[in-house]
Order: sequence, then structure tokens, then C-alpha cells
Amino acid sequence: GENVEQHPSTLSVQEGDSAVIKCTYSDSASNYFPWYKQELGKRPQLIIDIRSNVGEKKDQRIAVTLNKTAKHFSLHITETQPEDSAVYFCAASIQAGTALIFGKGTTLSVSS
Amino acid sequence: KAGVTQTPRYLIKTRGQQVTLSCSPISGHRSVSWYQQTPGQGLQFLFEYFSETQRNKGNFPGRFSGRQFSNSRSEMNVSTLELGDSALYLCASSFGGGNEKLFFGSGTQLSVL
Repeated sequence: GENVEQHPSTLSVQEGDSAVIKCTYSDSASNYFPWYKQELGKRPQLIIDIRSNVGEKKDQRIAVTLNKTAKHFSLHITETQPEDSAVYFCAASIQAGTALIFGKGTTLSVSS
Repeated sequence: KAGVTQTPRYLIKTRGQQVTLSCSPISGHRSVSWYQQTPGQGLQFLFEYFSETQRNKGNFPGRFSGRQFSNSRSEMNVSTLELGDSALYLCASSFGGGNEKLFFGSGTQLSVL
């Protein structure tokens, strides 16, 4: 089955710096790769997603890139702010359904 | 429009007991998936239900089971509880077409003593 590896597990940056989180997946049939943000004590929420027919997608300060050949995708956050501090999860789809296989998460800390 | 509702919010059980968790999806959503969240292990997929049928299953033992009703509400059952089952159990709903946004509930925090 699908397996998703996520690095790093923790990331500390200064406000205004960029942050990059990387994920790899194992099943070449996966074609949907979302990113979820979970603030402390809250439920995970989708922040951006990308499909396999697209190489890059941007939404204001966040962007995701996908390399299907290498089976890896990355989240880029520019001009980080303290409110970006949270746990970020990457995920890959399972065929024939809406279920996702998640990475183990990256705890991002942005200090001002 | 109401979000995904999970009950109860907290549960304390002892080893060997069984427990049932409930998830009410957003109106119109037909898919419900369940995840176990523990520190350091992230979100681990348990199973997904669509139109009362289990569509996908993760790598959890048979002690973990679920079902979905005709109104799309779902229940998850864990029998013969073990200490390692202590976790936050999250359910998520979606329309069910695939490759779409999941809407998560607040979760049920299960503690096994």
C-alpha cells in the first residue's frame, strides 16, 4: 500500500524567513497530494492541494511542487509569520476513494 | 451549515473493555473516513465508508471495526482495548467522489487505563 515519508519532523524559523517541508510517496498510482495544517488543539484543515497533472500550485504565501518521476512533493511557505506555527501534514490519495495516507507531520515554529 | 460532529469528546476506559465512537458528517457528504492520531505517529488511516460500504481499510487489527448508516453517520468500534489504543480518533467527511477536501471533526480523545 501507499507510504508517505515527511521531513523534517521539526522546523524552527525566524519570522520573515521561508520554510520548506518535503514528502515522498511510494505508490505511483497516487494522483492527489494535499497539505493539512493543524494548530494546537484544533482539527486539521486543508491549506493547499495539487493533482498529478500539475507541477506547481501557489496560493498567496504558500506553494506546493510535485515531481511525479521522483515521487516527491514539497510545501513552501514564504515570509513566515507567527500564526504559521502549527503541525503540517502532507498526504497522498488512495485509489478509488477519498481516504488519505498522511506523513507523520512537521512541527513548524516561527519566532518573532 | 453544521460541521462534522464527533461524540463523545472524551472517553476513559480500562483494558479489555470495548468502545464505540460516533461521527455525523456534513449534510450531503456520503464518505466518512477514520484516523488515529498519536504524538509522533501523525494521522494513521483506519478505514473509509461510502454509501454504507467499507471502501478502503488501513493496517489495523480486526479489533477495530466500523459501519455506516443510511444517513451517512458512522460509528467506529474498538474491542478488547489495549493501552496502546489511547489516542485521538478523528473522522473526516467528504462528498465521496475522490481527490477532494476532507472536513475533519474535533475528534474523540480515548484514554485506556
